[in-house]
Parts: sequence; C-alpha cells; structure tokens
Amino acid sequence: KQEVTQIPAALSVPEGENLVLNCSFTDSAIYNLQWFRQDPGKGLTSLLLIQSSQREQTSGRLNASLDKSSGRSTLYIAASQPGDSATYLCAVEGPGGTSYGKLTFGQGTILTVHP
Amino acid sequence: DTGVSQNPRHKITKRGQNVTFRCDPISEHNRLYWYRQTLGQGPEFLTYFQNEAQLEKSRLLSDRFSAERPKGSFSTLEIQRTEQGDSAMYLCASSFKATNEKLFFGSGTQLSVL
Repeated sequence: KQEVTQIPAALSVPEGENLVLNCSFTDSAIYNLQWFRQDPGKGLTSLLLIQSSQREQTSGRLNASLDKSSGRSTLYIAASQPGDSATYLCAVEGPGGTSYGKLTFGQGTILTVHP
Repeated sequence: DTGVSQNPRHKITKRGQNVTFRCDPISEHNRLYWYRQTLGQGPEFLTYFQNEAQLEKSRLLSDRFSAERPKGSFSTLEIQRTEQGDSAMYLCASSFKATNEKLFFGSGTQLSVL
C-alpha cells in the first residue's frame, strides 16, 4: 500500500525567505507526483505535475524535483510572500496496477509567511 | 466554464438523515473523482467514473454511500443514514484523460453531522 509522508507538518517563515517542503513515498513505481495548494476551507489547486520520467518542473517561483528511486520529492519556493500562506499537499499516482487518477496524498505542510 | 462546481458548499444534518451532494465537472472532462478529507488530513480516494461507468470504489465507501453519474455529465454522491463519522469535506475532481493529467478540484462540500 502506497504511503506518502510530508515534512515538516508546519512551517513559519518571514517574507522573502527561500524554503523547501519535503515529500516521501514508499512505493517508487509511480506514474507521477503532483504538488497541490489548499487554502482554508477551499478545494485544491494543482501547482506542478512531474511525470515519472522527469526530474523536475518549474512554474514561476516554484520548483519541484523528483527522485523516484529514493521515493522523494521537494517543493522549493523562492522569495516567499504572505500570499503563499496555505497548506501544500503532495500526491502520487500509482504504483502501476492501481487505477489511473487515483491519488494518494500526504497530510500536508501548513505554510505561514509573515510580513 | 470556470471549473468544477460543487453544491451545496455546506450541509448540516442530523444523524440518521440522508444527504446528497452534486458535482458538475469541467465540460470536456470525461473522468470524475470523489475524495473525502477530514481536518488535518490529506484527501482520501472514494470512487471514480469514466464517462457514466463507475470503475472503482474504495473500501472507505460503505454500503451507505452511493455515487452516480448519469449520462456521463454531473455526478451525485448520496450518504444514507448519516453518522457523525461521516463529517468531512467531500471533494470532487475531474480530468480529461486517464493519466499524467492534472486533476481539477472543486471547492468541496463541507458536511457536518450533528
């Protein structure tokens, strides 16, 4: 059974800092890994999707890397802003043999960026 | 079409009552998913549809839960004889193709069972 763990559970940083969120998964036979953002009481917004054959994806100030063999991913946020405050969730699709689109999520990292 | 729409946003009900939630996916998306999220946890998969066919159900989906997607458009999730443990955020998502596609989530329906 795939399990996803995110560290740290919560993070508080001053505005402008660069930060790293960590995600690990137990079964490396995944199709892809996605990072989501969730604001309080809201749904999820997909930030980045890394396919199993890729090593990283970038979007603006966000960069996500994937090391499938070691079962790890990191989300790097550059020059953090108060508007980045949210819960960040990591999710994997797979391993192979499970249904496409069936994601296994971590518990999330609650990020607070204070002015 | 602005995204995945879920109704109602909030539902408060008494234990033992039946509730029904609706999800309208992005119009060109043929895959639709239901997830459940409790406070402080990540979402957990419940079930998914390819067009009108329900292809998989999680063991979390007890006999009191039923989901439908008539005509492969909107979907409904019904919970019969609600229990306090059913209190959660119920999230719907859709995607265009089978895999390596970003899932687009709705804002969810927050269920509180008193």
